[in-house]
Amino acid sequence: DVKVTQSSRYLVKRTGEKVFLECVQDMDHENMFWYRQDPGLGLRLIYFSYDVKMKEKGDIPEGYSVSREKKERFSLILESASTNQTSMYLCASSLPGTYQETQYFGPGTRLLVL
Amino acid sequence: QKEVEQDPGPLSVPEGAIVSLNCTYSNSAFQYFMWYRQYSRKGPELLMYTYSSGNKEDGRFTAQVDKSSKYISLFIRDSQPSDSATYLCAMSGRGNEKLTFGTGTRLTIIP
Repeated sequence: DVKVTQSSRYLVKRTGEKVFLECVQDMDHENMFWYRQDPGLGLRLIYFSYDVKMKEKGDIPEGYSVSREKKERFSLILESASTNQTSMYLCASSLPGTYQETQYFGPGTRLLVL
Repeated sequence: QKEVEQDPGPLSVPEGAIVSLNCTYSNSAFQYFMWYRQYSRKGPELLMYTYSSGNKEDGRFTAQVDKSSKYISLFIRDSQPSDSATYLCAMSGRGNEKLTFGTGTRLTIIP
């Protein structure tokens, strides 16, 4: 059974704090993605990675960075959290090749920045 | 104009009704079309996957793609209260590309 896990379900942080969101997948997938989901805006891609130590900017990378030191782990970093980064953050992974566009999602992290 | 448009709803229908959910898109390069279901406070899960035009059926669910009209649909027959969720359409072009999502339609099936 495919599994994508995220380190926290709920997080509350203060403005200016550095925030780390962790994502781990156990499916040996090359591709990993970070999205944020906001009402009326849907899922927006922040960053993605096609391989270890490789990263590509998505549609809204400003204020975020990522790290992929191991194949199974993809971290999202908010360098200095701001209130407009309050959102639901979703991690996903996929396997290139057959049904490569099929992304498997984690349960999400609800982040509140005060 | 957004690349993918989806009516956000909310949509409420009685149990047993046929539900029709739709998305339109503007990018003619899209070839892969997906529907994801997202229960409250959970991550999206893949429900249906189709390639190019045509229909695909899986139990009570039917996905339809009309590339000439740039229009995709998801039909749910004999709807159940457990079908209450947000439904997201997603699509991509050929190659190792990212997905473009609709904003989602919130569906409630009333017992």
